[in-house]
Amino acid sequence: EPEVTQTPSHQVTQMGQEVILRCVPISNHLYFYWYRQILGQKVEFLVSFYNNEISEKSEIFDDQFSVERPDGSNFTLKIRSTKLEDSAMYFCASSETPPGGDSPLHFGNGTRLTVT
Amino acid sequence: SQKIEQNSEALNIQEGKTATLTCNYTNYSPAYLQWYRQDPGRGPVFLLLIRENEKEKRKERLKVTFDTTLKQSLFHITASQPADSATYLCALNSNYQLIWGAGTKLIIKP
Repeated sequence: EPEVTQTPSHQVTQMGQEVILRCVPISNHLYFYWYRQILGQKVEFLVSFYNNEISEKSEIFDDQFSVERPDGSNFTLKIRSTKLEDSAMYFCASSETPPGGDSPLHFGNGTRLTVT
Repeated sequence: SQKIEQNSEALNIQEGKTATLTCNYTNYSPAYLQWYRQDPGRGPVFLLLIRENEKEKRKERLKVTFDTTLKQSLFHITASQPADSATYLCALNSNYQLIWGAGTKLIIKP
């Protein structure tokens, strides 16, 4: 069964550095997402992306964050000037239909980001 | 705005019994409601989707109900097994987004 893959599985960075988290969504999916989960807390929506542009973003997704689909397969999340509170699991997901539609989200296994 | 409530306390169930998890929402009934399973350190995995005009949906040992009058969905696992231990999340659509519950941790004891 096709799956969403994320790299790296664990990223350690120093405060103030930039990180890029990478994702390869399922190939025939058109809608892409980033979610964040701080340890022990709920899954939080960051951003959705369709047709090479952001379709929705949450309050968390401020100017520190950006997303890109640099080629036909990768979908990236860039976090500039990382802060300690950015430490979390970051999940990429994709779906066939628009956000909140009747097809489920397929998640990757996440990148654990640790900011020291 | 739409809010979802799931029991934040862990649910302990004896192996072989039926586990029932609750998802309550506060405002309008969504067109779709979804249930996911999340294991520690892994991404959520889709289990079942139920539409607002469906009362019940089944998949193997899983059953989901949707009561728009009570604004509630129930998720049942029959003949529960220790391997069913995980956190179960419900999510519903709202304005072209998925709104997520905090999840309920289910522990099945042998």
